Order: sequence, then C-alpha cells, then structure tokens
Amino acid sequence: EVQLVQSGAEVKKPGDSLKISCKASGYFFTSYWIAWVRQMPGKGLEWMGIVYPGDSDTRYSPAFQGQVTISADKSISTAYLQWSSLKASDTAMYYCARRPGNNWFDPWGQGTLVTVSS
Amino acid sequence: QAVVTQEPSFSVSPGGTVTITCGLSSGSVSTNNYPSWYQQTPGQAPRTLIDSTNTRSSGVPDRFSGSILGNKAALTITGAQADDESDYYCVLHMGSGISVFGGGTKLTVL
Repeated sequence: EVQLVQSGAEVKKPGDSLKISCKASGYFFTSYWIAWVRQMPGKGLEWMGIVYPGDSDTRYSPAFQGQVTISADKSISTAYLQWSSLKASDTAMYYCARRPGNNWFDPWGQGTLVTVSS
Repeated sequence: QAVVTQEPSFSVSPGGTVTITCGLSSGSVSTNNYPSWYQQTPGQAPRTLIDSTNTRSSGVPDRFSGSILGNKAALTITGAQADDESDYYCVLHMGSGISVFGGGTKLTVL
C-alpha cells in the first residue's frame, strides 16, 4: 500500500526554525515527485512546491519561493518542508502528496498542523 | 502567477446534478493543464476524484465525472447524495512543474 506518514503537530514561536517530514512507503520513493500543500485555517489549498527525490530537483510556487525549503532524503524515503524563521502567518495545516502523473496528487499524508504563536 | 477560479459555493438538491468549473483569470483551460479534482471534508485530507481531465480515481463513484466545458475544466456530480456535501478543489498544471489550486467550491446538498 502506498502511504505517506507525516510528522506530528508543532507549536513554535515567531522566529523559530522548523522542519517537518513526510515518510513514504509502498513504492519506489525516487521515482515520483512529492508535493507540499498549505491550508491556512478556514481557507483553501495552496500548492507550495515539489521535490523529485531521485535527483533532489525542486520547483516552487512564486508565492513560496524563498519562504520555505523543500528537500528529500532518499536514503530514508522522506521528504521535508522547512522554515528558517517562522511567522505567525505560517500557522496552517501542511500536507504532502505524491504526484503519480502530470498533475495529480495521490495519496496524501494525514497533514501536519503548525501553530506559530508568541 | 495565474489565478485559478472556481465558484465559491453551490447548492444542489439530493438526486440533482451540479457542475463546478475551474477557469483561468487569463486564458483558457485545456487538457494540457491536466486538470485534477479533489474532495475535502472538514478535518480530513483531500481525496483525489479525477485526474488528467476525466480519469476517475480508484473507488470514486461514477456519478463524478470530469470534462472540459468551453474554456474551463468541469466537475459534474450526477445524482448528488448527502455525503457529497464537501469542499471541492481543482488544480491546474501551469508548466515547468508548477501547479496552482483553485480557491475551492463549497457544495451544499439540501
């Protein structure tokens, strides 16, 4: 079974750094892109970017370029989303999802809730 | 960055048909945007319904269908049921590996 399991909820202060993870199983991790999607409280889905674990190629939405870093460690089949300095506006649920084809995402991780508050 | 547009909300009667559309603020949606559709209920991760314009994901009932209607992608629910009450999102491929989600459509079944 193809599965993505994300790390647990985080509570951080503004200015903190953070790295959340998405562990894949059930398929060849290096063969498929992994995407990250943000959902702010009560809002819609926002595509942040993708990483290809085979060669670490990454693409970012212009809205998120420079704001986050997406990476992958193929030795442990895990993708990451990280911030160097969190803001309150980063408070959101973050989902990872595999991209099996040109533009669709499945399966999805269960989500990681990030709360940034002083 | 292009804006992907969806109707903010729709209401449908049980057994009725509803079509949710996915457009571009400038230009037309085509199969080259590989539109896909997702259903999300509160507190849950999104569920894939349709990929590559009109391919239903495994386990998705055939009352859900995807198409291109005019210059937009479309998700049609034929014979809506109470548990179809959810938020629906489309996502379009914009080239260079970049995708953009629509703002979402809140569907009420009543």
